[in-house]
Amino acid sequence: GAVVSQHPSWVICKSGTSVKIECRSLDFQATTMFWYRQFPKQSLMLMATSNEGSKATYEQGVEKDKFLINHASLTLSTLTVTSAHPEDSSFYICSYGGGATEAFFGQGTRLTVV
Amino acid sequence: AQSVTQPDIHITVSEGASLELRCNYSYGATPYLFWYVQSPGQGLQLLLKYFSGDTLVQGIKGFEAEFKRSQSSFNLRKPSVHWSDAAEYFCAVSYNTDKLIFGTGTRLQVFP
Repeated sequence: GAVVSQHPSWVICKSGTSVKIECRSLDFQATTMFWYRQFPKQSLMLMATSNEGSKATYEQGVEKDKFLINHASLTLSTLTVTSAHPEDSSFYICSYGGGATEAFFGQGTRLTVV
Repeated sequence: AQSVTQPDIHITVSEGASLELRCNYSYGATPYLFWYVQSPGQGLQLLLKYFSGDTLVQGIKGFEAEFKRSQSSFNLRKPSVHWSDAAEYFCAVSYNTDKLIFGTGTRLQVFP
C-alpha cells in the first residue's frame, strides 16, 4: 500500500510559538491530503482537506488562520499550528485516499503545548 | 447530519473469547464502510472495508464484519481474541467522497 510519512512523531512547544507538521507521500503523488485531529480518548475529526497548488478546504469550526495548511508539491503537505495554546494539544494525523479507495494514514504527531 | 455511532466505549474480554464491536451509521444512503485499528500513539491500520456485494467481509488478523442494511450496522467480529488485539477500534464511513467520518472508537482490553 501507499506509504505516508509524518514528521515529527511528537513535539513539545511553548505557548505562543508555532509548530509545523509535515506529511509526505513516499511512493505516490497526492493531489489531496487530509488532516485530522484526535483529542485524548476521542475520535478523529477531519480538520481540513489539503489541495495541491490551491487553498485548503477547512471544516466548519476550524480556524484557517490558526491551522495553516500548505500543499506546495504532490508529495508534501504541511500543517502549521500558529500561536499554539495548551488547548491545541492533540494528536494530529494526515491521510491520503479514502472513499472508494483505501485511506493511508501517517503515523501521527502528538503535540503538547506547555 | 452524517454520523457514526459506536455504542461501546470500552470492552474487556478474555484471551480466546469471541468479540463483537458494534457500529451504526446514520443517513439513508449506503456508505462505504471501514474498520480501522489504532495502537497507542500510532496511526490507523485498515482492518477491512465494505463497498458492495457480499455483506460479510473478511479482513486482516482474523477479523470479519457484516453489513446489515436494515439495521444500518457494520459490526466487527473475531472468533478468538489474542492479547495483541488490544487497541482502539474505529468504525468509519464515507459517502462518495474521500472524507472519512469516524465513530468515537471502542477501546478493547484483553485479559490473559
